[in-house]
Amino acid sequence: ETGVTQTPRHLVMGMTNKKSLKCEQHLGHNAMYWYKQSAKKPLELMFVYSLEERVENNSVPSRFSPECPNSSHLFLHLHTLQPEDSALYLCASSQARGGEKLFFGSGTQLSVL
Amino acid sequence: RKEVEQDPGPFNVPEGATVAFNCTYSNSASQSFFWYRQDCRKEPKLLMSVYSSGNEDGRFTAQLNRASQYISLLIRDSKLSDSATYLCVVNARGFKTIFGAGTRLFVKA
Repeated sequence: ETGVTQTPRHLVMGMTNKKSLKCEQHLGHNAMYWYKQSAKKPLELMFVYSLEERVENNSVPSRFSPECPNSSHLFLHLHTLQPEDSALYLCASSQARGGEKLFFGSGTQLSVL
Repeated sequence: RKEVEQDPGPFNVPEGATVAFNCTYSNSASQSFFWYRQDCRKEPKLLMSVYSSGNEDGRFTAQLNRASQYISLLIRDSKLSDSATYLCVVNARGFKTIFGAGTRLFVKA
């Protein structure tokens, strides 16, 4: 059983839809991350929150909007996505000291039609 | 130049073989280093941290060479269950943890 839970596991959406990905961690960590993994590409860091404050924002298009209401929950709000945004979206958590080991959720496999 | 580079493989080895992967990183100020394992359609999972003095965990040995900016992973006595993609991971600063594209390993009976 993972300490990081992501929902939904799979999501199919049209380009005009609005949806949200949810992540919850039960490890007592204070940092949470969103990564994108496209086919045959390395994981790309999207956003990092430490103690509920955004500390990394890697030039991600504004159609992706993160939200971290508390140290246990992280959301990724999606709107007007493009087909090239289809990918596996992974949430991770760590201790809030930087450079720490990451623990991942199972991911949301997103398909944009 | 990519921040973290790995040979994508695949490496095809028989059971019981010893196999080694290397990884290079570009940021000389990097502080933390890890190997993760990712099975097909699953999330990455931490395999081991990598320390300057080298470290071993059962059949797995990791080495760090700061002068040459490379990291290695050695797997002895390969098992079928070792088949996976091995990700080299480097923390450049703060929370910026960068993943390599991975090296695929297939262990065959």
